[in-house]
Amino acid sequence: DAGVIQSPRHEVTEMGQEVTLRCKPISGHNSLFWYRQTMMRGLELLIYFNNNVPIDDSGMPEDRFSAKMPNASFSTLKIQPSEPRDSAVYFCASSLGTSVRDTQYFGPGTRLTVL
Amino acid sequence: GNSVTQMEGPVTLSEEAFLTINCTYTATGYPSLFWYVQYPGEGLQLLLKATKADDKGSNKGFEATYRKETTSFHLEKGSVQVSDSAVYFCALITGNQFYFGTGTSLTVIP
Repeated sequence: DAGVIQSPRHEVTEMGQEVTLRCKPISGHNSLFWYRQTMMRGLELLIYFNNNVPIDDSGMPEDRFSAKMPNASFSTLKIQPSEPRDSAVYFCASSLGTSVRDTQYFGPGTRLTVL
Repeated sequence: GNSVTQMEGPVTLSEEAFLTINCTYTATGYPSLFWYVQYPGEGLQLLLKATKADDKGSNKGFEATYRKETTSFHLEKGSVQVSDSAVYFCALITGNQFYFGTGTSLTVIP
């Protein structure tokens, strides 16, 4: 069975450019989570969706960050404009239920480097 | 506030050694506690969890007991293998909020 799929796996861009990260959750899962991992701050939950609806976006750092989930099989995390401090690994995860306490399955991550 | 504190790494052990990775937490309400493992180049995987006081989570030879009196959830394994080399994250959920520790890197040498 396919797990959570993220693309691209690596992204290098220049400051000021728009970056779009993509995620395909496990089929049939009802919740999707976006995380950011850095050496300084560790793993942070940015936003999560239940049934395609954003439930909690309190972890989104700034207005430059936005996330959408237009359907049950696709989500995007967009950064516009990007800054060097956005360099991190971004993980997407999905879970079957609608509670954050349900087991989450993580994708392999997208390593973003902003020059 | 809510937080998770893990012992700092990196930790290097010989194969078959005993492993303890300490984790303590601060939380309001009744949190659930988790250990996640991240192998090189991969995303996190749930290793084990415990949802109430005195519960013991276990998986792949790893164990952790939810100790409310000491607000701890220490990860243990009696005999580590080279394949256990990874980064281990302690985490808690309270309400709808997820809090992760900073991770502890474990390297097991033959």
